[in-house]
Amino acid sequence: KQEVTQIPAALSVPEGENLVLNCSFTDSAIYNLQWFRQDPGKGLTSLLLIQSSQREQTSGRLNASLDKSSGRSTLYIAASQPGDSATYLCAVSYDKVIFGPGTSLSVIP
Amino acid sequence: AAGVIQSPRHLIKEKRETATLKCYPIPRHDTVYWYQQGPGQDPQFLISFYEKMQSDKGSIPDRFSAQQFSDYHSELNMSSLELGDSALYFCASSLKRGPYNEQFFGPGTRLTVL
Repeated sequence: KQEVTQIPAALSVPEGENLVLNCSFTDSAIYNLQWFRQDPGKGLTSLLLIQSSQREQTSGRLNASLDKSSGRSTLYIAASQPGDSATYLCAVSYDKVIFGPGTSLSVIP
Repeated sequence: AAGVIQSPRHLIKEKRETATLKCYPIPRHDTVYWYQQGPGQDPQFLISFYEKMQSDKGSIPDRFSAQQFSDYHSELNMSSLELGDSALYFCASSLKRGPYNEQFFGPGTRLTVL
């Protein structure tokens, strides 16, 4: 069965800290893996997409890595800001996309 | 660049009514997916269409049906609405013949059932 898990479920850090969010998936036959940000009651904002043949992607303060063989991805956020507070969803693409349960991040000023 | 369009963005219905959600994929995309995100939950796959044929089915209730039309837009029809159908409904599109099958998500339709 294809499952996606994320840890931690919630994270609270002071402003300026670097942090890592983790995503695990059971079936390594993926097309790609995508990290989304979702603010309460809002839509999905795509942050980074890593193709199955890639190891990492970077965008500004964000860096995402992918280790297909171990079924893991990490999202690294550098120098966190209060505006980064949101839920971060890992989405693994097979014939359909399976989402993880998300990590709720709070960055305290 | 054109994105996935969903309409309406917000919809309020009474119990037992019907609702129709529309999705317009990115031009030249041949595959459409529907997802449902309940309050406090992660999005769950409902159904997908490739070249106007149903290609995969997830946790879609029997009260729901969907189709993809000749212009590739898709509609999700929901009947006998229940309070538990209140959710954010996302549509995504992709080019299945492409090498990576990347799905692009629309902004979602928020359905509230009273």
